[in-house]
Amino acid sequence: DAGVIQSPRHEVTEMGQEVTLRCKPISGHDYLFWYRQTMMRGLELLIYFNNNVPIDDSGMPEDRFSAKMPNASFSTLKIQPSEPRDSAVYFCASRDRGSLNYGYTFGSGTRLTVV
Amino acid sequence: SQQGEEDPQALSIQEGENATMNCSYKTSINNLQWYRQNSGRGLVHLILIRSNEREKHSGRLRVTLDTSKKSSSLLITASRAADTASYFCATLRATNKLIFGTGTLLAVQP
Repeated sequence: DAGVIQSPRHEVTEMGQEVTLRCKPISGHDYLFWYRQTMMRGLELLIYFNNNVPIDDSGMPEDRFSAKMPNASFSTLKIQPSEPRDSAVYFCASRDRGSLNYGYTFGSGTRLTVV
Repeated sequence: SQQGEEDPQALSIQEGENATMNCSYKTSINNLQWYRQNSGRGLVHLILIRSNEREKHSGRLRVTLDTSKKSSSLLITASRAADTASYFCATLRATNKLIFGTGTLLAVQP
């Protein structure tokens, strides 16, 4: 298995532009999580899905952020419009419903820089 | 903040020494997990301890959990330069949320 795949690895965009981050979870995993990591705030859970349905989006910072999971093998996190304070590393992670007592598998992350 | 706290924030030791990191949290949990993050990379799961367990071992790793004190510790024995990384504890809540601590930056000097 190739693991959790995120794209792009790096993204540099100008303030006000739309940014779309992508994630492909491990096949068969029915939970998907989006995290954001910054020096100031550490690792924050933004939203998570179960069987493609958003369960908890209370960590999404504001309406400029949205996430979708149209099928079991693909999820997107969109920021529109982007702002410099959105600069961070965004991680996607997945796990199996049956593996409550196993760890999560994380992707390599997307480093977003908004200038 | 919902995050747990880890201490120390940074730890520097010599190769061959043991490294101990501590984690405290605030709410009831299903399990507690430890992850490693190398600079510029993603997080890698190391070990998980359930709320009804008190100690767990995996290779050079030893984790303890004290639910009465809401605290955990990670011990890495016989450290190597390759162990240099940031280490995070994370607690799995009943809400199915995995919440991370602030992390400990470990530097192992060769």
